[in-house]
Formats: sequence, C-alpha cells, structure tokens
Amino acid sequence: AQTVTQSQPEMSVQEAETVTLSCTYDTSESDYYLFWYKQPPSRQMILVIRQEAYKQQNATENRFSVNFQKAAKSFSLKISDSQLGDAAMYFCAYRSAFGGSNYKLTFGKGTLLTVNP
Amino acid sequence: DAGVIQSPRHEVTEMGQEVTLRCKPISGHNSLFWYRQTMMRGLELLIYFNNNVPIDDSGMPEDRFSAKMPNASFSTLKIQPSEPRDSAVYFCASSRERQGAEFNQPQHFGDGTRLSIL
Repeated sequence: AQTVTQSQPEMSVQEAETVTLSCTYDTSESDYYLFWYKQPPSRQMILVIRQEAYKQQNATENRFSVNFQKAAKSFSLKISDSQLGDAAMYFCAYRSAFGGSNYKLTFGKGTLLTVNP
Repeated sequence: DAGVIQSPRHEVTEMGQEVTLRCKPISGHNSLFWYRQTMMRGLELLIYFNNNVPIDDSGMPEDRFSAKMPNASFSTLKIQPSEPRDSAVYFCASSRERQGAEFNQPQHFGDGTRLSIL
C-alpha cells in the first residue's frame, strides 16, 4: 500500500517570502499522480497543483511550484511571494495511474501553514 | 459552474439518532467519493461510486454506516445509530473518469459537513 508522509506538522512564513512544504511517499508503482490540496479555515478542499509522475518537468501554477524528485520519492511544494490568503492546512496526496484501485487518493497528515504579516 | 454541494454544513445531534448527509456531485461527473476527516486519522476514503454503483466500500467503518447513490446527481451517507466517535468532517468529492483507465481528472471536493454527536 502507498503511504504519504508530511514531516512538518506546522510551518510559518513572513508575508512576501518563500516557503517550501515537504512531502515524501512510498510506492512500488512507476506511474502515478501527486497532488497538493489546500484547506483554509473555511474547510473547503482546494486543488492547488498536480504532477504526473511520467513528466520530468515540475508543475507550476502561478506562485505555486513543485520540486518532484521521482527517485527520491519526494514532492515538495514551494509557495513564492506568500500572501495572507495562503494560510491553510496543506495536504499532499498520491493516486495510482492505472489499475483497479486507481481512484484512491492517499493523503498525508497535513502541514499547517501560518503567514505572518 | 456549480461545485460539489453538500448539506447540511453543520449537524449536531444526540447519540443514537439517525444522521443523513447529502451530496450533489458536479454535473457530468460519474465518480463520487465520501471521505471522513478526523484529527487522529486524517482523511479517509469511506466509499467510492462509479456510474452510481458502489465499487469500493472497504472504508466504511461498520454496519451503522450506509451510502446510496440513487441517481447521477445525488448521494447520501447515513449513520444509524450515531455515536460520539462518529464526530468528524465528512467530505463528498466527484470526478469524471473511467474505472481502470488512466486517470485524467482530479477530484473536486465539497465544503464538507461538520458532524457532532453529543
């Protein structure tokens, strides 16, 4: 079974600065997808960014980018020019690309990000 | 476009009562998921429907939990009788995909229902 580990329960960053959230995962599969979801205090789960494992190029969405290291099974999220609205719980998630159970999202325990003005 | 709609947003009830949570997936999505989020266990998949058919209910904690999807636009998660340990946030999510095929659509989540069992 796949596992996702977020080793930082909490992180903080100054407004306008850059912060990196860590995520590692364990899998024997070669094809899969990785995601970062954001959960603000409003509780909504918002997809921030996703990465296909077969793509070597790191995904980028505006101020959000990932550092995907397939061999190391690492998938970190970098938030540039942090804004107060970025304060939230961030979840890393894994999903298989193929197979009968490829619908399953496996989530990490989350990292609570605080943005200081 | 309307997102996944869940109701109620909050539910407080006494132990032993029946609880019904509702979900309307995004139109055109054929897959629906119910998740439970707790501090101790994080986000867990309870049940997965594809084309209104339950495909995987291995995450349903016990017989007190049941889920139905009578049509493509509606699903319910029922707890009967409810217990204090069922207190959690319950999320519904939907996506468009073919079972077993290469995934190409992310799951979209509703705002969740915060359930408190006293």
